[in-house]
Amino acid sequence: DIQMTQFPSSLSASVGDRVTVSCRASQGIGNNLAWYQQKPGKVPKLLIYAASTLQSGVPSRFSGSGSGTDFTLTISSLQPEDFATYYCQKYNTAPWTFGQGTRVDTK
Amino acid sequence: QVQLVESGGGVVQPGRSLRLSCVGSGFTFRNYGMYWVRRAPGKGLEWVAVIWYDGSNEYYEESVKGRFTISRDNSKNTLYLQMNSLRVADTAVYYCARTYGSNYALFIDYWGQGTLVTVSS
Repeated sequence: DIQMTQFPSSLSASVGDRVTVSCRASQGIGNNLAWYQQKPGKVPKLLIYAASTLQSGVPSRFSGSGSGTDFTLTISSLQPEDFATYYCQKYNTAPWTFGQGTRVDTK
Repeated sequence: QVQLVESGGGVVQPGRSLRLSCVGSGFTFRNYGMYWVRRAPGKGLEWVAVIWYDGSNEYYEESVKGRFTISRDNSKNTLYLQMNSLRVADTAVYYCARTYGSNYALFIDYWGQGTLVTVSS
């Protein structure tokens, strides 16, 4: 099975910072990667699919890039409501594995 | 608007069974594949099972294979997860989720609120 490695596992940042989260697949998955955000006590939310396509309603400060094995989620200017845990997920085929998550908290 | 409402969670002893249900509304349920995803306390998201829009294919995460069964009744807009031989490690919030995509390329565009399953003696 393809393994998904997400890093860092946590990071501390301030409002206005540029934040980058990475996700690496052990084998190529094309652009079949999604990013989700989950806030404490809340339901996960789809941010990006097809590696770089922004889901409707998601602020443009979020962006995704990459293909094959290496992917990145970028928040261009961190806002107070962005403190959360972020997950990548491969979805080219079974198993539809999530990354371990990256918690973004306040510095 | 798309709504997914789970039910059936609770406290159960190890080795016992539980059935979760999820009712979908606001969309044509029979046209979409569906997931169950869980999040254990202090852990990350873990996909549990996926079922095709017509029920023709099912897939399971390795640790639940042979114990859990995903099914659906499109006439009732309802997704199920039958969980047998439950273990303490199955303790988690279980989310019902709608897939988007085609063939095996299925990501999640909508999530239910989740139902808590606690396995404890």
